[in-house]
Formats: sequence, C-alpha cells, structure tokens
Amino acid sequence: GDSVTQMEGPVTLSEEAFLTINCTYTATGYPSLFWYVQYPGEGLQLLLKATKADDKGSNKGFEATYRKETTSFHLEKGSVQVSDSAVYFCALSPTGANNLFFGTGTRLTVIP
Amino acid sequence: DAGVTQSPTHLIKTRGQQVTLRCSPKSGHDTVSWYQQALGQGPQFIFQYYEEEERQRGNFPDRFSGHQFPNYSSELNVNALLLGDSALYLCASRLGPGGGSYEQYFGPGTRLTVT
Repeated sequence: GDSVTQMEGPVTLSEEAFLTINCTYTATGYPSLFWYVQYPGEGLQLLLKATKADDKGSNKGFEATYRKETTSFHLEKGSVQVSDSAVYFCALSPTGANNLFFGTGTRLTVIP
Repeated sequence: DAGVTQSPTHLIKTRGQQVTLRCSPKSGHDTVSWYQQALGQGPQFIFQYYEEEERQRGNFPDRFSGHQFPNYSSELNVNALLLGDSALYLCASRLGPGGGSYEQYFGPGTRLTVT
C-alpha cells in the first residue's frame, strides 16, 4: 500500500547550518508529494508541494525535488534559523485520491 | 478570514463513553477530512465528507462516524471509546473533493484523552 518513510529525529542544528530531512515513499502511479510543518501549539501548515516527477517545490528557503527514480522527496534548506524549529512531515496523496499519507515526522531544533 | 476551527480544544473521556468533535472549515471550502494523530506519529486519515456524504474512508472501525451539515461544518463521533483512541484529532478543509494536488488547510486539533 501507499506509505511514507521519513528520517527519524530529533535533529538539532546550529543556526545557519544546512538542513536535509530524508523522505522516501511507496505508491502506485503518480502521487502528489508534500512537506507540512507543525510549529509548537499550531496546526499543520503546507510548506511546499510537487505534483509530478522532477518538479521542485520551494517556500521560505526550503526546497524538495520529486525524484521518481529514487522515490524520494528530501527536504533541504541552505541556512536554518531558530524560527525553523518545528516538526516536519512528509506526505503523499495517491493518484486520484483525496487523502494524505503522512510520515512519522521529524522534530527540528535550531540553536543560536 | 477565519481558518479551520475546531472545538473543543481538549477533552477527557472515560473508556466506553461516546464523544463528538466539531469542525468549521475555512471560508469558501466545502470538503472536510478528519485525521487522527497519535503521540509521536504522523496523522492518519479517518474519512472525508463532501456534499454531506462520506466520500472516502481510511482504515478505521465503524465506531468512528461523521456528519457534514449544509453549512459545510462537520462532526466526528467516536463510540465505545478505547484507551487507544487517545490522540490529537485534526480537521482539514479544501475546496472540492478532487485530485490530491490541492492544498488542505488544517485546524489546530482537539486533544482527546481517554482514561
């Protein structure tokens, strides 16, 4: 069945460090892929998305590229800030479906 | 513009009881989905409502049921509560039930504790 495997955390980085959070997926067809972020005390927010192979989603300095050959959608940011501290979820929506399958989440803490 | 709102914020129930959670979608949205997020896990899809009907359902037992009202708001009902039902319940809304590329907006959730 459809599933998402996400890099386990927690991840602790110093401010301005480079961030990578790995995400791989299993799905038939051509799912849409997403990264959601959950800040402390807030609901899930869409960070970025990609709907077809080789698409690059980007937002707030974060990027992720839909790689069908490796079934991956890794999240990257060149220089993290303290305000990026949050839990990050990789998710997919199967072809033609309306629901989201989420990974287990990766907690990121950025220290000054 | 109000986003997705949920009530109550927190709830404590006893095993075997029944609970109703409520959700108002973002203005302009007509489709509501419910997710269960256990502690330390990602959200799991329960079901989706559109035009007052359940359109898609995840792998949850019949104890979980829902309803959508003409104003697009929705309720999630859970009967015969089990300890394992303790979780954060998230509501998400979007415009139309169609393909997965459209953004879903999530509410802050209702924290349910079953004792």
